[in-house]
Amino acid sequence: QKEVEQNSGPLSVPEGAIASLNCTYSDRGSQSFFWYRQYSGKSPELIMSIYSNGDKEDGRFTAQLNKASQYVSLLIRDSQPSDSATYLCAVLSSNYQLIWGAGTKLIIKP
Amino acid sequence: DAGVTQSPTHLIKTRGQHVTLRCSPISGHKSVSWYQQVLGQGPQFIFQYYEKEERGRGNFPDRFSARQFPNYSSELNVNALLLGDSALYLCASSLKWTSGNGEQFFGPGTRLTVL
Repeated sequence: QKEVEQNSGPLSVPEGAIASLNCTYSDRGSQSFFWYRQYSGKSPELIMSIYSNGDKEDGRFTAQLNKASQYVSLLIRDSQPSDSATYLCAVLSSNYQLIWGAGTKLIIKP
Repeated sequence: DAGVTQSPTHLIKTRGQHVTLRCSPISGHKSVSWYQQVLGQGPQFIFQYYEKEERGRGNFPDRFSARQFPNYSSELNVNALLLGDSALYLCASSLKWTSGNGEQFFGPGTRLTVL
């Protein structure tokens, strides 16, 4: 059973601090990893993708991948109240299906 | 440019009824995926279609079926509705069904309530 696991939270972070979100996956054949953001009552939207070990930065967001540890993380710097949402980790399996975690609810406190 | 569209936005049905949900992908996208999402969980994969062929099927009963039309729009059908089918049904489109399938664009969803 291919799985993606995330801490459901909520994760509460003060405004301006760094939010750190984590995800582990079970399928060692996975090569592509994604972070989606979902606001309450809305549909998911893609915010980051990462394909190689190491860090990938895009503005205030940094995705980190460690394939040996089967671990993906998302860092949000200078957290803003508008970052409050559920963050979904998704992994593209070896048969090209997206496997989703349950999501981590992030709350940024002003 | 229009994004992914879904209809209807909300639907109320009773147990045993049948429902059809519709989705139009982003122009140029040939792959459509359907997901079911219940509160507090991530999307659960139901079907994926690419070029009118089924490319993947999740762990859902045969009451769920889908198809893709020549214009790449898609329908999801659910027969003999159960209370447990109440959920947000999401449609997502992507350019490819293989290595590009991770970058999916979602429609606003259809909220189905079964009474």
